[in-house]
Amino acid sequence: SAVISQKPSRDICQRGTSLTIQCQVDSQVTMMFWYRQQPGQSLTLIATANQGSEATYESGFVIDKFPISRPNLTFSTLTVSNMSPEDSSIYLCSVVFGGRETQYFGPGTRLLVL
Amino acid sequence: SQKIEQNSEALNIQEGKTATLTCNYTNYSPAYLQWYRQDPGRGPVFLLLIRENEKEKRKERLKVTFDTTLKQSLFHITASQPADSATYLCALDAYSSASKIIFGSGTRLSIRP
Repeated sequence: SAVISQKPSRDICQRGTSLTIQCQVDSQVTMMFWYRQQPGQSLTLIATANQGSEATYESGFVIDKFPISRPNLTFSTLTVSNMSPEDSSIYLCSVVFGGRETQYFGPGTRLLVL
Repeated sequence: SQKIEQNSEALNIQEGKTATLTCNYTNYSPAYLQWYRQDPGRGPVFLLLIRENEKEKRKERLKVTFDTTLKQSLFHITASQPADSATYLCALDAYSSASKIIFGSGTRLSIRP
């Protein structure tokens, strides 16, 4: 398993601003993912964070809105850009270790956009 | 596209009874299926993985079955306890990548003393 931390744990932001969420893992991992969980809903995959290259986005999510960085095998950031109230959600990062299928999740970042 | 359905209504069970949660899927034949537990305000925690060639898997009080003909998985918690109260999510590997998973909507389970 892994210890995964996210910063910030929660934030309240104004419409039109941007927030960068950090995900730190205590060991090197093969794959990192970013999910969104809207109130009362299940998890929706935003993108796969690729080390050293651009993230791979799922349908409905674009790089301009959710730019992602992954400078190394233990760290990634997700930026929520030009926020609107519809972006209010919990954002979660998850990791997979090489050759396995199990995902380990961070504690999440709870975002409220006013 | 892949579709995963779980009991949308909350499940309320008397302590000590067996809780059974259902996960149905369509338009896909997954290589594996996973079950996660999620407590309020926290990320999901992995519980069990079952592969397409396995019919049943157990872990302590948990049992998962996988019927690829019915396209259904059942998740059982025996001798349920109030501490088992949580939302339980099933997830399938995504068609496009074995390392990506797609989650169902989850079933909220409440165990009353």
